[in-house]
Parts: sequence; structure tokens; C-alpha cells
Amino acid sequence: QQPVQSPQAVILREGEDAVINCSSSKALYSVHWYRQKHGEAPVFLMILLKGGEQKGHDKISASFNEKKQQSSLYLTASQLSYSGTYFCGTEATGTYKYIFGTGTRLKVLA
Amino acid sequence: ETGVTQTPRHLVMGMTNKKSLKCEQHLGHNAMYWYKQSAKKPLELMFVYSLEERVENNSVPSRFSPECPNSSHLFLHLHTLQPEDSALYLCASSATRARTNEKLFFGSGTQLSVL
Repeated sequence: QQPVQSPQAVILREGEDAVINCSSSKALYSVHWYRQKHGEAPVFLMILLKGGEQKGHDKISASFNEKKQQSSLYLTASQLSYSGTYFCGTEATGTYKYIFGTGTRLKVLA
Repeated sequence: ETGVTQTPRHLVMGMTNKKSLKCEQHLGHNAMYWYKQSAKKPLELMFVYSLEERVENNSVPSRFSPECPNSSHLFLHLHTLQPEDSALYLCASSATRARTNEKLFFGSGTQLSVL
């Protein structure tokens, strides 16, 4: 029932781009993105609330396609600091709670 | 520093022990949460408190007992745990629980090992 993230893991070189997808089997009200570095707390990146909404944070942006019930996180010109596990959290419409996805481990190499 | 502090950072306990995890938030938030993070599994929501009242209990076994004495503190009391309960337990808070357009602030977690 939790959203499915793909890929499960990705390795990049500094400067390369990556896309992480989050898909749900249910109609969504919102999507959250978090990043967790090893041994640290998950840190909030962004929330997307409306279908088709896009947001950006430095070189990290995301889109939310309500009709397709999915969100994508775009990492542009990746930096070493982008390494970590990325989680999406989705709220199914009418449930008032959100469930986290399976996670994507991203490693950026120098 | 996210404003949410969890203690202890690491805990090893036997199956017959009783221990407690503590969470404190300094953000003035009204909602607090316990999550369980096991290896290769999604973050699992365990309990939600809003204004010190438990509003959600996601079918968590009774060997886990939460307590929220005030809006700044949250405890998770543990007793007679099983080895499969070994995991990272994360506390989080948000300003309100009105709708999930509220971002979560997480603590660094307590890594629990049950022997």
C-alpha cells in the first residue's frame, strides 16, 4: 500500500543528473520529499499539493502529476552533499495521513 | 539541529527488560509522532499525538506504550520486546496535524537492538 519508489538505488558522478520517481496506487492529495543521510534525521525538502505542481529548491526540483498518481524528484548537477536516502511521503485523498515510500539510496562520487 | 532531540541514541535491551525512549521538541509544535524504521523497509507510522491526545495508533503491539505528558515531550515505553523490534525509532513533530501539508521535523532517532 505504500508508494513505490524507483530506482531503489543510484550511483552518480558529481555533476550528473538523476530522477527519482514515487508512484501510488491511490489518488493523492499531497506528496512530501525528505532526504536522510546515514545516522542522521530525515530532512524535509519540499511538499507538493496540487496536481501538476512543480517546485524547486536550489538544484533539486519536483513535480506532482495528480492524474498519474506520481511524483518525480529531479536532482540537477549533483553534488557530493546530495548523497543519502530519499523518501517520498504521500497522503491519499481523504485519509488525513501520509505513508512513506520505500526509499531510494543515492550516492554521489567525486 | 532540527529542534527535535531524542535520547538515548543507542539502546541494547534484553527481551525481558523495560526501557523508555524520550523525545523533546523545542519548536512549539502541537503534533508529535513515533515512526519505526527497519532495514530495507519504509518508515512506518506508529503513533500520532495532537495537543497531547493520541489520535492515531497504527495497530502497534501493546508492548509499545506511548506517553505524551505535554506538547513538548513524547515517550515510548518498551517492555518484553522481540528481536524483530530491533530498528531505528524516529520521533517527529509538526506545527499542527490539520492536514498533511505540514512538514515533519525529525529527531536523529534511537537505534534499538533487542537481544
